[in-house]
Amino acid sequence: EAGVTQSPTHLIKTRGQQATLRCSPISGHTSVYWYQQALGLGLQFLLWYDEGEERNRGNFPPRFSGRQFPNYSSELNVNALELEDSALYLCASSRAVGQPQHFGDGTRLSIL
Amino acid sequence: ELKVEQNPLFLSMQEGKNYTIYCNYSTTSDRLYWYRQDPGKSLESLFVLLSNGAVKQEGRLMASLDTKARLSTLHITAAVHDLSATYFCAVDTGNQFYFGTGTSLTVIP
Repeated sequence: EAGVTQSPTHLIKTRGQQATLRCSPISGHTSVYWYQQALGLGLQFLLWYDEGEERNRGNFPPRFSGRQFPNYSSELNVNALELEDSALYLCASSRAVGQPQHFGDGTRLSIL
Repeated sequence: ELKVEQNPLFLSMQEGKNYTIYCNYSTTSDRLYWYRQDPGKSLESLFVLLSNGAVKQEGRLMASLDTKARLSTLHITAAVHDLSATYFCAVDTGNQFYFGTGTSLTVIP
């Protein structure tokens, strides 16, 4: 069974640009979660999508947005990039609410 | 907002010793998970604890959950170098996962 896949592995942008990160969940999983792991700050919950709908979002500004497609894959978009957006962005999927989350390898976003 | 606190944040222990990592959380939940993260890697699921009194063991690691005390423990028995990693607990409220701060474990030969 293929795991959660994320692309790209690394992404380098400059301040003010826009970034798009992609995630494909494990087959059969309908929930997708996005997290930001900045250096020294642990995992911060960003967004949760289930069955194509945004179910919950963390305490992040609106320039962080995303969507889930009919095949349950997901995109995370970050607009007007700032230096402090530099972090590892992790995507996780689960079969349903209350089920364990399985994580991808992440996208490392660096803002110059 | 729910708070999930782990302690210690950093743990350096000798091979062969035992130790316990604690995870306290501030709201009612009966679903708690433990994950391991190696440097530069993603998170690997270790244990799923779904009820009060749940205990799971895998190799030298054992996790338990006390929902009344809002406390989970991860016990390490006879540590080996391969266990060096960062360990996270995560509380599932049904609406969101809240991760602890992580415990960075270094096992010294």
